[in-house]
Amino acid sequence: DVVLTQTPPTLLATIGQSVSISCRSSQSLLHSNGNTYLNWLLQRTGQSPQPLIYLVSKLESGVPNRFSGSGSGTDFTLKISGVEAEDLGVYYCMQFTHYPLTFGSGTKLEIK
Amino acid sequence: EVQLVETGGGLVRPGSSLKLSCATSGFTFSNTWMNWVRQAPGKGLEWVALIKDKYSNYEANYAESVKGRFTISRDDSKSRVYLQMNTLRDQDTATYYCTRRYRYNPFAYWGQGTLVTVSS
Repeated sequence: DVVLTQTPPTLLATIGQSVSISCRSSQSLLHSNGNTYLNWLLQRTGQSPQPLIYLVSKLESGVPNRFSGSGSGTDFTLKISGVEAEDLGVYYCMQFTHYPLTFGSGTKLEIK
Repeated sequence: EVQLVETGGGLVRPGSSLKLSCATSGFTFSNTWMNWVRQAPGKGLEWVALIKDKYSNYEANYAESVKGRFTISRDDSKSRVYLQMNTLRDQDTATYYCTRRYRYNPFAYWGQGTLVTVSS
């Protein structure tokens, strides 16, 4: 199975600070069709997860452009440029290049 | 508006069975791949099962942890997806979410989840 390792497990940020979350895969996520199926999700406390980014860097509809994704192969990054209070929660990367679909262990973003 | 509503959770004994249901609306269900994802209390997300649409012959895939015990199915006439769970174990205790695939995201839409507790 593909293992996705997220770091850091916890992130403490002030409002307006820029932060990054790393997601490293145990295998390349480049599919034979040329797509890289690496997505990011956010789960706020007590809520269902919601999608943020798909195909490494494409923002889902309605997601603020302070969120950005980058990376390729096995190394990926989610960046928040100017954290806002509503951004707190747990961020997950996930992949569906390979079966079984797998998630990272999550990064909890806390606001100072 | 896309809606996914899971039902069927509850408290069951180890070794027993339970069937979850996910009622959907707001999109064309018959040509959509659907998933079940679970989350144990205080833990992360775990993909459970996927069922493709009729154009992919309703192919199903499962996580190794549930293979042979869980069965995903769908009823396109009712826009519902199901998860039959047999031989339940303590480790199956989790909130189970139904998710809809949209474009390049298998988890583009989520229900509110239904809690399954397996305990003696």
